[in-house]
Order: sequence, then C-alpha cells, then structure tokens
Amino acid sequence: NAGVTQTPKFQVLKTGQSMTLQCAQDMNHEYMSWYRQDPGMGLRLIHYSVGAGITDQGEVPNGYNVSRSTTEDFPLRLLSAAPSQTSVYFCASSARVGDYEQYFGPGTRLTVT
Amino acid sequence: SQKIEQNSEALNIQEGKTATLTCNYTNYSPAYLQWYRQDPGRGPVFLLLIRENEKEKRKERLKVTFDTTLKQSLFHITASQPADSATYLCALPNSGGYQKVTFGTGTKLQVIP
Repeated sequence: NAGVTQTPKFQVLKTGQSMTLQCAQDMNHEYMSWYRQDPGMGLRLIHYSVGAGITDQGEVPNGYNVSRSTTEDFPLRLLSAAPSQTSVYFCASSARVGDYEQYFGPGTRLTVT
Repeated sequence: SQKIEQNSEALNIQEGKTATLTCNYTNYSPAYLQWYRQDPGRGPVFLLLIRENEKEKRKERLKVTFDTTLKQSLFHITASQPADSATYLCALPNSGGYQKVTFGTGTKLQVIP
C-alpha cells in the first residue's frame, strides 16, 4: 500500500491564481481531512469528509473548496490564492470517524507571492 | 471548540533519561486522546491512543496517562534515545462528534547523547 499520497510536494503561486492540491489513499478509508500547518499555530483543520459525496467545513475553511467523488481521492482547491495561504498542507485519512488513528501524507509546501 | 495546550518550549534531556511531555485541554472532556510524532518536513505519525476510561496505556518505551479530572495527558518516553528527537503532538476530538479533531501545537523534544 502506498498509504496517503499528496502532489505536488512544493508549489509557488502568485496572488489570485488557483490550483488544486491532490490527495489519494489506497486503504479504503472512509474519513479524509485536510490540515494546514503554520509555525506556532499547529495543525488546523480546513475541510473533512466522512465518505464519498459528503464533505464539511473544519476550523479554517475560507478560501478553500473540496469534493469527494470517490473513496480514494480528496482534492483541495484554492480558489484565488492569497499570501495568507502560504503554509504546509497535509492530507490525512482514517478508517472511520471516531477513535481511529489518522494516516498523514507527506505534505505540500505552498508559497503564495 | 476544544483548546489544547502543549509546552511550546523545547524539551532537552540527556540520553537514557525519561522524557515527560504534557498536554492540557480545556472545555469538555474528550472520549479519547491521541499522540503523534512529527519529524521535520514530514507528516505526523500516530503513536498511541488512550480512551477516557483508561488511566494508562503503554507501548514499548512509551507510556501515556489520561487524567480527566485534571484535564491532562502525560506522555512519557523511557530510556530516551537521540532517535526519539522530534516534535510530539496531542490530538483530541471536538465536542459534538468525532468528525473534527483538534491538534496541539506540539512540543519539540531533543535527546542529547
């Protein structure tokens, strides 16, 4: 199993550009989530999904969209990038909602200039 | 939402000693609490989960305690090694369901040979 994969590893965007961060898992996990990690702020939940076709907002959803058309994939879209979205983004999955461990991807380092 | 406090100061200890990290939370008492390890440039990796009805959990050199009265979890690494140097995060579910998980900012542990 590849686990949780994310692409790209690094990305530089100009303000106003849009892009999609890809996330995929091959463990047939129901629950998937996106976090951003900033120095001193820890991991903050952006959006999550409890199954295909079901998504909901986390703590910091503004400026981001998600969809979950398949169990495996959970892309994160930046609609109009802003410097405040410069961060490291992690995708994670777990078997189900609840007291299950989350498996994290390697992260995408995004810089918005 | 849940607020988590972890010592933001780095913890430096001598090899062979026991490292003790603290996770304090406010608001409601969660049904479980998790600990993760994060190495620089990588995603967090799950270590241990402890449930509210468990006082203590062990895994090899790791031990976690959970005091719901004090609203605190302690994470111990016995016989610490330089390879244990990393940032350790605690995580717990928000009130109202397990869909949203809040992470602490983490404590950086440095084990000195």
